[in-house]
Amino acid sequence: DAGVTQSPTHLIKTRGQQVTLRCSPKSGHDTVSWYQQALGQGPQFIFQYYEEEERQRGNFPDRFSGHQFPNYSSELNVNALLLGDSALYLCASSLDRNQPQHFGDGTRLSIL
Amino acid sequence: GQQLNQSPQSMFIQEGEDVSMNCTSSSIFNTWLWYKQDPGEGPVLLIALYKAGELTSNGRLTAQFGITRKDSFLNISASIPSDVGIYFCAGQLTGGSEKLVFGKGTKLTVNP
Repeated sequence: DAGVTQSPTHLIKTRGQQVTLRCSPKSGHDTVSWYQQALGQGPQFIFQYYEEEERQRGNFPDRFSGHQFPNYSSELNVNALLLGDSALYLCASSLDRNQPQHFGDGTRLSIL
Repeated sequence: GQQLNQSPQSMFIQEGEDVSMNCTSSSIFNTWLWYKQDPGEGPVLLIALYKAGELTSNGRLTAQFGITRKDSFLNISASIPSDVGIYFCAGQLTGGSEKLVFGKGTKLTVNP
């Protein structure tokens, strides 16, 4: 039973570029949440997708957008990258409102 | 963004010692969770707490949901070298798929 998988594991971009990160939820999970974890900090909630719709959103600008596909996998897109976007981006999946979230190992994004 | 207050920030202990760490919030949460994160990996769920006053164990780990619903504690008994890592508390207003609000983490070092 595969857990949450994310790709790529590492990515290097330059300021102003755009990036797409991908997440496959744990088998049977239908809800995907994205978090940003800066160095030395706890994860910060970006947004959550359920039934292909954004259901909740944290305090992140519109440069951060996402998508969920019919197979429940999800993408996180970030436009006009800034140096401050350098972080570990974590995906978490869950089954329903009564089950805790399980995390993938993240994508390490570095902006030069 | 909103974060929980987690203490201590770091701990250096000898193998075999017991460890205590806590997490406080100015807001009420109805679910508290404790995660452990190893370098290069995503957070792994250790314990989930759903009722005020609840005391839950997972092996050598014991966590409590504070009566005020504004705090939680994690204890590790008889520490071993593989306990090394960063421990995060997280709160939710309801539970399950709802967004997680994280603390900044407690970094644990265990000397053999």
